[in-house]
Amino acid sequence: DSGVTQTPKHLITATGQRVTLRCSPRSGDLSVYWYQQSLDQGLQFLIQYYNGEERAKGNILERFSAQQFPDLHSELNLSSLELGDSALYFCASSVDVGGGVDEQYFGPGTRLTVT
Amino acid sequence: GNSVTQMEGPVTLSEEAFLTINCTYTATGYPSLFWYVQYPGEGLQLLLKATKADDKGSNKGFEATYRKETTSFHLEKGSVQVSDSAVYFCALRLQGAQKLVFGQGTRLTINP
Repeated sequence: DSGVTQTPKHLITATGQRVTLRCSPRSGDLSVYWYQQSLDQGLQFLIQYYNGEERAKGNILERFSAQQFPDLHSELNLSSLELGDSALYFCASSVDVGGGVDEQYFGPGTRLTVT
Repeated sequence: GNSVTQMEGPVTLSEEAFLTINCTYTATGYPSLFWYVQYPGEGLQLLLKATKADDKGSNKGFEATYRKETTSFHLEKGSVQVSDSAVYFCALRLQGAQKLVFGQGTRLTINP
């Protein structure tokens, strides 16, 4: 158990809908990262938040957005869903003391299926 | 751009066989290199890492050496077990950055 929790574990929804994925980082970790794992794109970085502020952005679609709340949990919002958004979405967290050497701990993921 | 290339899977071996999973990278500067493992139904776990050239990361019998001259970080284990069956990801992280860049993953199956 990494200490990172994600809810829900599974989500099935229809095209055009909007969903929210939730992540609680390990106690004490200030950074939260979102990654998408799909069959065609592999494992890709979406976005990072540090202590409530967006820090880095990767291949995140405009239909997707994220935020990190004062209690440090994070939510990833996916809207106008398409079949191609079906994937496993991972959240990771780290202390982020600077220098880029701290480990990222991954949650178990949320499997999104768009039908 | 920055990228990681892993050997194509799936890889199937018998128990106690020697394992090598190749990983090469392209990156600006001097990245840190990682191997992550994903067991069925679980998230990724850090297996080992190396932060500079010639460093050797090791854990649970697995080893990988950061080779700057060949831009490689091959994963090896002398004697695999059925419990090593999983998907293995090679990844890099650039200096000063936090995001990980992953390879495509290699599925390993160990038969008893």
